[in-house]
Formats: sequence, structure tokens, C-alpha cells
Amino acid sequence: QKEVEQDPGPLSVPEGAIVSLNCTYSNSAFQYFMWYRQYSRKGPELLMYTYSSGNKEDGRFTAQVDKSSKYISLFIRDSQPSDSATYLCAMIRNTDKLIFGTGTRLQVFP
Amino acid sequence: EPEVTQTPSHQVTQMGQEVILRCVPISNHLYFYWYRQILGQKVEFLVSFYNNEISEKSEIFDDQFSVERPDGSNFTLKIRSTKLEDSAMYFCASKSTATNEKLFFGSGTQLSVL
Repeated sequence: QKEVEQDPGPLSVPEGAIVSLNCTYSNSAFQYFMWYRQYSRKGPELLMYTYSSGNKEDGRFTAQVDKSSKYISLFIRDSQPSDSATYLCAMIRNTDKLIFGTGTRLQVFP
Repeated sequence: EPEVTQTPSHQVTQMGQEVILRCVPISNHLYFYWYRQILGQKVEFLVSFYNNEISEKSEIFDDQFSVERPDGSNFTLKIRSTKLEDSAMYFCASKSTATNEKLFFGSGTQLSVL
């Protein structure tokens, strides 16, 4: 079983839609959870990070962590064409290295 | 906004040649990293570096790889004898403290080994 699983998509939605992106993980030792956005041929850009189970909101973005189910989500409200990118979940255990999911490619069409 | 800068953006080399990928981390950051992403695959950790020494490295980071902070601003990744399978996008990243999870990535160097 992979440590971090993420549906690669692509996910195509109309402008204004609510987008739900998800990752599951197998190792309960993961402590910090992040969502990165990556535009084509660019480096990952940190969107959200969270430590505990529950929700964290920042503008149109909400990150949700359910440690009991080993499941994390990123919700994007009122999606815009500029949100079109690949979204990567990432996690840290008790070491310093990030473990990434494969990324979900999102396309928001006008 | 401060950013991590990587040069060159694209490097083409022949198999067996040495390459050095260069990075300028954000100025007050103390922790430095290299990650790579083979086309179509996930971003993978290579190495972390703090206080002028390697903190952790992955299985990928074998004897052909080395890192150095030659001065107060640059952080380099050297591949001594490149292989075809080293072709990937290499990302440098940095953060300010050990407990700060905000890791900032550069735009990457696309390495093509022919």
C-alpha cells in the first residue's frame, strides 16, 4: 500500500463550482498535512498546512483533516479558471521530509 | 515577496558528465532541501541540509550526489556522473526554522541527460 494516495484526475469543473480534492494515507505517524499548488513547469506553492484534525479556512480554501480515517481534503469555493493547476497533498512524519501525493490535475473552465 | 531562486532553469548534459544545480534560498532561512520530480511522477525528497551538514537523505541520494553550501547564499546539488534516469525537474526548497512547516520551493531546474 502506498503511503499517500491521491487520485491523479484530471478533474474538470465549471467556473464557480465547489471543488473537493482528497488524499488518503496509511501511516498514522504523519503529523503535519499540507496542500501545495503547482502550475505547469513551476515549483510547488504552499496553500494550506494544518496539524490537527478538523477544518482550517483561508479565503476560498478549506483544508480538512480526519486522522481517525487517515483522510485529508481540500475544498475550493467559487473556483476560478486561475485555480487550474495540479494540487499536491503532502505530509510529514517525525522526520523532516515531505511525502507527496501524486497530485490531482484540476481544470476550471469559464 | 522573498523567493527561492534556481539556476539554470534548464540544463542539458551528456550521460556521464558532472552537473551542478544552483540555488539561492531565502536569505534568513536555515534549512535547505532538494527534491526532484520525474516527468509524470510525484515529487520525491532527496536530501535535507542544516548547519553545513546533511540531516537526512533518501535512497535516491547515493554516492553520485553531493550538496554544498559554498558561501552564505548559495546551495548546490552536484551529480558526479549523470545517468539517463537522472533526467527530472530538481527543486530546491528552504524554510526558516525546524518547527516551521512553511517550505518554500524554487521554480526548479529541468535536467535532461542525453
